Amino acid sequence: KAGVTQTPRYLIKTRGQQVTLSCSPISGHRSVSWYQQTPGQGLQFLFEYFSETQRNKGNFPGRFSGRQFSNSRSEMNVSTLELGDSALYLCASTSPGQGYTFGSGTRLTVV
Amino acid sequence: AQSVTQLDSQVPVFEEAPVELRCNYSSSVSVYLFWYVQYPNQGLQLLLKYLSGSTLVKGINGFEAEFNKSQTSFHLRKPSVHISDTAEYFCAVSGGTSSGSARQLTFGSGTQLTVLP
Repeated sequence: KAGVTQTPRYLIKTRGQQVTLSCSPISGHRSVSWYQQTPGQGLQFLFEYFSETQRNKGNFPGRFSGRQFSNSRSEMNVSTLELGDSALYLCASTSPGQGYTFGSGTRLTVV
Repeated sequence: AQSVTQLDSQVPVFEEAPVELRCNYSSSVSVYLFWYVQYPNQGLQLLLKYLSGSTLVKGINGFEAEFNKSQTSFHLRKPSVHISDTAEYFCAVSGGTSSGSARQLTFGSGTQLTVLP
């Protein structure tokens, strides 16, 4: 069974630009969550999608958004990038009664 | 609201010695508990999980953890560590079958385990 796939692995963007990250969950998993990991704040929840609907959202500004497609693949978008958005962005998928399986992450660097 | 406290930010231990990484949580609902390991420049790998049933949970790579509801703890143990166990370990809690914000994973700040030769 293929794992959670995140693309791209690395990104370098300039302040003010926008970026889109992609996540393909494990086949059959309908729930996809996104997390931001930074040295200062640790692992923080961004949002969760289930069957194309945002079910839950963390405490992040509106510049952070996401969506989920009918095949459960998910994208997250960050607009007007700031230096502080530099982080490892992790995607996880799950199904009822199971743990969360994480992808390898996308390392975003904002310069 | 949920929270997780990992009491030790760094744990150095000699190879083949036992290790315990401590985790305490707080939650107003029944919980699911997890331990994840992260190697440099990689994502999170699930070591083990407690969803229900036996409070002693066995995971991959010889790790185990015990859910103690009265002490709200979920400590991770391994009887004999190897150099390859050097990594950062994260304890996490979710609100199980709860709805809304309780369902998300809340992580501790992590424990860096360093196994010395």
